[in-house]
Amino acid sequence: ETGVTQTPRHLVMGMTNKKSLKCEQHLGHNAMYWYKQSAKKPLELMFVYNFKEQTENNSVPSRFSPECPNSSHLFLHLHTLQPEDSALYLCASSQDGETGYRSPLHFGNGTRLTVT
Amino acid sequence: DQQVKQNSPSLSVQEGRISILNCDYTNSMFDYFLWYKKYPAEGPTFLISISSIKDKNEDGRFTVFLNKSAKHLSLHIVPSQPGDSAVYFCAASYYSGTYKYIFGTGTRLKVLA
Repeated sequence: ETGVTQTPRHLVMGMTNKKSLKCEQHLGHNAMYWYKQSAKKPLELMFVYNFKEQTENNSVPSRFSPECPNSSHLFLHLHTLQPEDSALYLCASSQDGETGYRSPLHFGNGTRLTVT
Repeated sequence: DQQVKQNSPSLSVQEGRISILNCDYTNSMFDYFLWYKKYPAEGPTFLISISSIKDKNEDGRFTVFLNKSAKHLSLHIVPSQPGDSAVYFCAASYYSGTYKYIFGTGTRLKVLA
């Protein structure tokens, strides 16, 4: 069982809907990430939160709105999406900031989003 | 501009033989490199990593080699098994206010029984 849990696993939404993706990590990590994976493209970094503070917004459109209420939970709020936003959205966590220690990212199983 | 490149979209290898997956990068700030394996309908799973101060790291059947002068890393799987069939992603990391992880497009490995 993965230490990073994402819900829902699948989501179909219309362009006028509002929905949220949820991520929870049980690894005691202090950094959380949202990535987007589209077909035949590399994983694209969207947002990074470190100790609950957003430290990276990789030029993501405002129709994607992240929220990190604590170091274990991360949300991605979606509204007025476009069909080209259909993709696999992956959440990841890591333990950062300790001197000399580099932590790999641990991923959830993703949410497959389809925008109709 | 793609900073991490995996130029082979797919690779087929006979069971028991060596699989070699390659990755090139362009950013000299990268100091930590990782390989991930991904099955369909699952998230990427961490396999093995290497720090820029090393040139080789081994874990069981998996070995990662780093050639900093060539900005190239490779993953060797010996012996290859059918269960190794998956998509393999190379990633590189650097610190710029926070740790950032940049991924390649992946190589689909098929191990033939």
